[in-house]
Amino acid sequence: DTEVTQTPKHLVMGMTNKKSLKCEQHMGHRAMYWYKQKAKKPPELMFVYSYEKLSINESVPSRFSPECPNSSLLNLHLHALQPEDSALYLCASSQGQGPDTQYFGPGTRLTVL
Amino acid sequence: EDQVTQSPEALRLQEGESSSLNCSYTVSGLRGLFWYRQDPGKGPEFLFTLYSAGEEKEKERLKATLTKKESFLHITAPKPEDSATYLCAAEGPGTYKYIFGTGTRLKVLA
Repeated sequence: DTEVTQTPKHLVMGMTNKKSLKCEQHMGHRAMYWYKQKAKKPPELMFVYSYEKLSINESVPSRFSPECPNSSLLNLHLHALQPEDSALYLCASSQGQGPDTQYFGPGTRLTVL
Repeated sequence: EDQVTQSPEALRLQEGESSSLNCSYTVSGLRGLFWYRQDPGKGPEFLFTLYSAGEEKEKERLKATLTKKESFLHITAPKPEDSATYLCAAEGPGTYKYIFGTGTRLKVLA
């Protein structure tokens, strides 16, 4: 089973709201990723957690705050977002030993009003 | 600078008309080359991982090949359900970071 799940599927929020995106995998993977994808563009890496520690932060604005409570779960906390943050947010996981195939979740479609 | 380029940007095929998608890369110390299929509004679906030049992998109507400079995704006798965006990504020496191409949007007409 190579399933990564994400909730919610869709999210609409105002610029003053606080919300969270959730991601879960049960493949025993030790690396988890957040990506942002705009229409007709490839995914852009935001954060990587390796063995539950933040390994990569691609200079993402502080209004995005990742959290990895355990090896199966990954959250992305959102606060004071801008309309240009509207996008498809993808979670992925991999074994954590390179070269490493990443398995993606279905994504959360975020709209910021 | 490490780079991955995909061509063509878009491709329209008749059902049954075989073709190839190209993924050219300039990545020093390539550790893996990955192919994904992505349907609109959904996450990328893993297809293949290739590790070394000369390697080939097949799955149904798809076959991926790798040389030292490029990878091809061959689609044999495509069907309308093969319509999607096909992404390739390269992993270089830096762990966890994929370098994505911009994708090829494939449309197969019945």
